[in-house]
Amino acid sequence: DVVMTQSPLSLPVTLGQPASISCRSSQSLVYSDGNTYLNWFQQRPGQSPRRLIYKVSNRDSGVPDRFSGSGSGTDFTLKISRVEAEDVGVYYCMQGTHWPWTFGQGTKVEIK
Amino acid sequence: EVQLLESGGNLVQPGGSLRLSCAASGFTFSISAMTWVRQAPGKGLEWVSTISGSGAVTTFYADSVKGRFTISRDNSKNTMYLQMNSLRAEDTATYYCTKGGRSSGHMDVWGIGTTVTVSS
Repeated sequence: DVVMTQSPLSLPVTLGQPASISCRSSQSLVYSDGNTYLNWFQQRPGQSPRRLIYKVSNRDSGVPDRFSGSGSGTDFTLKISRVEAEDVGVYYCMQGTHWPWTFGQGTKVEIK
Repeated sequence: EVQLLESGGNLVQPGGSLRLSCAASGFTFSISAMTWVRQAPGKGLEWVSTISGSGAVTTFYADSVKGRFTISRDNSKNTMYLQMNSLRAEDTATYYCTKGGRSSGHMDVWGIGTTVTVSS
């Protein structure tokens, strides 16, 4: 199975400051069709997860442009340019290239 | 509006069975791959099972549930199911229904979840 490793697992941030979460996969996530199926999800406290980013860097509809995804191969990053109070929650990366699909452990973002 | 609504969660004894349902609306269900994802209390997300959309139905399972769980769909009812047999304490979790597979975008919509508790 592809292991997804996130860091850090806990991320205290100051409002208005940037935040960055790393996600590394144990093997390349480039699929045979040339796409890289790396997604990012946000789970606010008490809510269902919500997809933010698909195929590395594509923002879902309604997702603020302060969220951005980047990376390639086995190394990926989710960045929040200026953290707002509503960004508190747990963020998961997930790979959909190889079966079984696998998630990272989650990174808890909280306000300092 | 695209909506997914899970039901069927309950308290069940170890070794028991349960069937979860996911009612879909607001999109063309029959061509959409659908997936179950679970989250144990206080833990992270775990992919459970996926069923393909259009064409020949293909199913995929996590090793942790293979042979015990069966995913299916009824396109005439816009509903997906998860038949869960031989339940174990470690199956205790909130089960989420999600829409979309590799071709259409993984898990772009999530339901509110249904809770399964396996305990004597």
